[in-house]
Amino acid sequence: GAVVSQHPSWVICKSGTSVKIECRSLDFQATTMFWYRQFPKQSLMLMATSNEGSKATYEQGVEKDKFLINHASLTLSTLTVTSAHPEDSSFYICSARKKVGNLRPYEQYFGPGTRLTVT
Amino acid sequence: AQTVTQSQPEMSVQEAETVTLSCTYDTSESNYYLFWYKQPPSRQMILVIRQEAYKQQNATENRFSVNFQKAAKSFSLKISDSQLGDTAMYFCASQGAQKLVFGQGTRLTINP
Repeated sequence: GAVVSQHPSWVICKSGTSVKIECRSLDFQATTMFWYRQFPKQSLMLMATSNEGSKATYEQGVEKDKFLINHASLTLSTLTVTSAHPEDSSFYICSARKKVGNLRPYEQYFGPGTRLTVT
Repeated sequence: AQTVTQSQPEMSVQEAETVTLSCTYDTSESNYYLFWYKQPPSRQMILVIRQEAYKQQNATENRFSVNFQKAAKSFSLKISDSQLGDTAMYFCASQGAQKLVFGQGTRLTINP
């Protein structure tokens, strides 16, 4: 299997506070993890790509100082939304790619998502 | 750059019917992969089917099959004998060397 978990599944925070979302690959090692954002009734938009032990690569238009990504181990990546505001409310999804060498190195395995509401 | 276009925002069919979802894509990469994902109300992304672009044979997974037209850059999904559990958002996606790019999605409703 290739199971990816996210914690928390939903979170409500007050404007101005920071919130951390964890993404874990439970039964495999992930060299690369991805963070997506999905607004209601819209598609997934890639925010950033993180490789274990190195700095994340952010997509154009994504504020790296606002969305801090850390990929400290081969099974854990975190997304911290700093000084959150209501416009940051969204559904955040992570995915992970297995270490190179497996049958389908290009394939991503998705977490169940985290719903963030900023009041 | 990669782009993926799904021109059908919504579709609705009766249970047991066959339905085809359309997708076109554009990529400058020579080696790429195409996917259809299903996102039910739980919002968990579920891989429905994958197609390696270098393979000419259309992929099939039980009731799901694709019509991959490489020259036309078309990648449609056919669902046969549709079931109520197939009701979901369906996203077409293209994977290049690094990025997975999604289309806008098609909301499919299967009616009893």
